[in-house]
Amino acid sequence: AQTVTQSQPEMSVQEAETVTLSCTYDTSENNYYLFWYKQPPSRQMILVIRQEAYKQQNATENRFSVNFQKAAKSFSLKISDSQLGDTAMYFCAFKRTGANSKLTFGKGITLSVRP
Amino acid sequence: DTEVTQTPKHLVMGMTNKKSLKCEQHMGHRAMYWYKQKAKKPPELMFVYSYEKLSINESVPSRFSPECPNSSLLNLHLHALQPEDSALYLCASSQVFRGTLSPLHFGNGTRLTVT
Repeated sequence: AQTVTQSQPEMSVQEAETVTLSCTYDTSENNYYLFWYKQPPSRQMILVIRQEAYKQQNATENRFSVNFQKAAKSFSLKISDSQLGDTAMYFCAFKRTGANSKLTFGKGITLSVRP
Repeated sequence: DTEVTQTPKHLVMGMTNKKSLKCEQHMGHRAMYWYKQKAKKPPELMFVYSYEKLSINESVPSRFSPECPNSSLLNLHLHALQPEDSALYLCASSQVFRGTLSPLHFGNGTRLTVT
């Protein structure tokens, strides 16, 4: 079974600064997908960024980038130039390949951006 | 704006009531999901439909009854619920491509309170 660990329950960052959210996972699979989802108080789960395990290049989406270390099974999210709208709960998630494979979530981390 | 629409946004029901949650998507996705989420916790998978057929049931109590009338609609029928069933219920959809990255798109959820 796959597990996803987010060991930090809460973090805080000053507006305009950079913050890194950590995530580790455990799997025996070689091919899989990793995701970061954001859930603001409006409660919709929004996909922030995704990474395919066979791609060595780290994914980036505007101010969001990941540091994917496959051997270490680590998938951290870096948020640059933090904005107040980044305040949310962030979930790291793992998915095996296959049409009916389940999405396994970590426990989540609450990020607060201070003005 | 979300591409997965859930109604109602809020629902309060007694333990003897029968109610239904509705979910609709028009992205052509052929997989649809129900998740249950307690406050400050990750979503827990309940059911998965693939091509309108139930493919995953995570041992959910029979007081929750899913239905997928067509490829765009997903319902969750509720009957004789318990107060501990109070939670945010999230619907999601995705493509069904074996071996291909297919992230889930979530709706805004229905906040259910059982009295």
